[in-house]
Amino acid sequence: TQLLEQSPQFLSIQEGENLTVYCNSSSVFSSLQWYRQEPGEGPVLLVTVVTGGEVKKLKRLTFQFGDARKDSSLHITAAQPGDTGLYLCAGARGGTSYGKLTFGQGTILTVHP
Amino acid sequence: EAGVAQSPRYKIIEKRQSVAFWCNPISGHATLYWYQQILGQGPKLLIQFQNNGVVDDSQLPKDRFSAERLKGVDSTLKIQPAKLEDSAVYLCASSPLWGPKNIQYFGAGTRLSVL
Repeated sequence: TQLLEQSPQFLSIQEGENLTVYCNSSSVFSSLQWYRQEPGEGPVLLVTVVTGGEVKKLKRLTFQFGDARKDSSLHITAAQPGDTGLYLCAGARGGTSYGKLTFGQGTILTVHP
Repeated sequence: EAGVAQSPRYKIIEKRQSVAFWCNPISGHATLYWYQQILGQGPKLLIQFQNNGVVDDSQLPKDRFSAERLKGVDSTLKIQPAKLEDSAVYLCASSPLWGPKNIQYFGAGTRLSVL
């Protein structure tokens, strides 16, 4: 079983602060996805990273895929209350496991005004 | 484009009762997934269908859970009998057969409370 460990599990910060969420595994993934989930809704895809060392930016969010494709990070600059939610990383593999995602346990982010 | 539809949104039952959830994936998506998400945790895959065939059901508790996708479109997930630990959100997701990078589209889920 491949495990994705996310840290921290809980994050409570003030508006304007920066934060980083980590997603680590001992397994190699063909791609890694980050989702955000709000209460009462399903996860919504934020970004997919595919290449080792890849960095993608989405407004104030910066995503990085580790060189060995085993880990990833999500950095949020100047967090806003609207960023509050559950952030999930999910690893994907190719071959016969194509389509199957392994999710981390999630990071619950609360941004206070 | 309509998203993944799930019903009901909420369900409250007593332990040992039966319950069923319904999912209609995005039109044309061949692959359908059912996940169980316990409060504050990441989703755990229960079963994956490709068209009307099961690809992976290794984490489905088959003594009480069953799922079908008879016509390769919508799907139902059933629990019989329910236990307290089945309280969770049940998410359905779909993806096209050869979509880019394993992207899955999720429904809003059904929140099940077993009392």
